[in-house]
Formats: sequence, structure tokens, C-alpha cells
Amino acid sequence: EVQLVESGGVLVQPGRSMKLSCAASGFTFSSFPMAWVRQAPTKGLEWVATISTSGGSTYYRDSVKGRFTISRDNAKSTLYLQMDSLRSEDTATYYCTTIGAYWGQGTLVTVSS
Amino acid sequence: DIVLTQAPLSVSVTPGESASISCRSSKSLLSSKGITSLYWYLQRPGKSPQLLIYQMSNLASGVPDRFSSSGSETDFTLKISKVETEDVGVYYCGHRLEYPLTFGSGTKLEIK
Repeated sequence: EVQLVESGGVLVQPGRSMKLSCAASGFTFSSFPMAWVRQAPTKGLEWVATISTSGGSTYYRDSVKGRFTISRDNAKSTLYLQMDSLRSEDTATYYCTTIGAYWGQGTLVTVSS
Repeated sequence: DIVLTQAPLSVSVTPGESASISCRSSKSLLSSKGITSLYWYLQRPGKSPQLLIYQMSNLASGVPDRFSSSGSETDFTLKISKVETEDVGVYYCGHRLEYPLTFGSGTKLEIK
């Protein structure tokens, strides 16, 4: 059974940092580009970042460039998102996904003072 | 950035009837490899998104054949025939043609 399990979402103050993790199982993690997609409360889906299978290529939406870093450890089948200089507008549920058939359950990040 | 415009915002359907959702792209989604990079997702209440259709017209694994999709390079339609109560949720179109990836704003399907 395919599983993507996100963790790390908490309440954090603006300007602080946080790191999300996503543990994958049930499929060949190293064969899939991976992504983070977020959803602000009551809003639609918003792509955040993508990483290639090897980790050698990364892509970000403009609003998070320079603040967020996506990475992966294929030996551990784990995807990460390091989020720095957090803003209130980063408040959302963050999904780990292949952007295709596999999605995690999401982890809620709340940025508030 | 590619803008995907969905219509309607919401649709209310009697069980057993059909529903159609439109997605219009600001740019052709036909890739250089001849693949149309349009995807449909369903997000049921309180759940994660689920892939329904990939590459414009291919049914994802485990998705009932009541769901179908068609279109051109910029205009796409998701059709749900014989709607069931389990089809309730928000439907999103999305593309993977280029970065940034974008999604439509969603269409909420309700049961009458």
C-alpha cells in the first residue's frame, strides 16, 4: 500500500523557520519527481516546489524562492521542505505528492504571532 | 504563468444525472512530445486530492468509468455520468506543462 506521511507542521511565529518531512512507502520513491502542494484554509490548491528524482533539479513558485528549500533522501525514501522567514500567507495545509496518483494526508502549518 | 479557468463555480446534481465541468487554459497544454498536460483531481470533504484523469483523457487507476475527459489544446471538459453521492467534493484541473504548475480555482459538486 502506497503511503506518504507528512510531519512537522506546527504553529510558528512570523520570521521563524520550520522543516516538513514526508516519509514514503509502498512505491519506488527514487523513481518519482516529488512536490509540495499547499492549500490555505478554505482556498484552492497551490503548487509550492518540485524536486527531480536525483535531487539535482529543483523548482519553486516565486513567492517562496529564496525562503523555502525542497530536498530528498532517496536512501530513506523521505522528502523535506525547509521553510525559512515564514509569513502569515504561508499558513496552509502542506501536501507531499507526486502530483499524480500519490498524495499524503497533509500537515497544517500555521504562521501567527 | 498558465491560468486555468474553471466553470461553473459550483454545480448541484440529482443522483443518476450527469454533470460537466469546464477548464480553459490561457496557453496550449500540448507538449512537444505530443502529450496534453491536463489533469483532473477530486478533493472530497476533509480529504486529500485524488487523481481522476491524467494527460487529458486517461482514467487513473481505480477511478470509475463514469468519469471521462476530453478537449482540445486549451479547452477541456470533465464529464461525470450517473452521479453518485460519493462524487461530492471539489474538482480541480491542473497542468504539468511547465513551471510554475498551476491549478484551476475548483468546482464544487453538490447533490440535490
